Amino acid sequence: AQSVTQLDSHVSVSEGTPVLLRCNYSSSYSPSLFWYVQHPNKGLQLLLKYTSAATLVKGINGFEAEFKKSETSFHLTKPSAHMSDAAEYFCVVSDDDKIIFGKGTRLHILP
Amino acid sequence: KAGVTQTPRYLIKTRGQQVTLSCSPISGHRSVSWYQQTPGQGLQFLFEYFSETQRNKGNFPGRFSGRQFSNSRSEMNVSTLELGDSALYLCASSLPTGQVLTDTQYFGPGTRLTVL
Repeated sequence: AQSVTQLDSHVSVSEGTPVLLRCNYSSSYSPSLFWYVQHPNKGLQLLLKYTSAATLVKGINGFEAEFKKSETSFHLTKPSAHMSDAAEYFCVVSDDDKIIFGKGTRLHILP
Repeated sequence: KAGVTQTPRYLIKTRGQQVTLSCSPISGHRSVSWYQQTPGQGLQFLFEYFSETQRNKGNFPGRFSGRQFSNSRSEMNVSTLELGDSALYLCASSLPTGQVLTDTQYFGPGTRLTVL
């Protein structure tokens, strides 16, 4: 059965420091994996998507994620946090007939 | 290109009533999916429509239904509202290029439903 676990419900980092948002998944098939971001009172916006073409996926706004099959992980990183990165982030796993969202990680940026 | 639009943005209903939410996809997108977002359960997939047919369905009771029109616009209906139906309902559209749930989806801002 499919599942996705975001290991931290809240993460706080100082502006200019690296960001790491952790995601582990399980899937019976070769899944598609996504990271979406949701700013307050806004819909979700795609940050990046893994589709088996490359294990290191680069997304928008300087974010990237690495697919590690042996660890069943798809962690999201950014080298230097910006105040505008404060939002909620969702890791998503899907296959042909199911799509599962993680519970979300709220990222706080400290000045 | 205009994004996904949802109407209304906010809605207040009472228990037992029914409600209809509307979603207009990005021009050219033929698939529309619906999601429910609550603090307790997070984001959950309701159903997906393509070419006026429901192709995928999540684990929600039959009180939740939807339809899609020939212009790809979609409506979601919830009958006999319960307090637990209070949520943000998000609609997303995609082209799609293949199996829609593995495609990139573009989300609308959502409809905030409050059931009293």
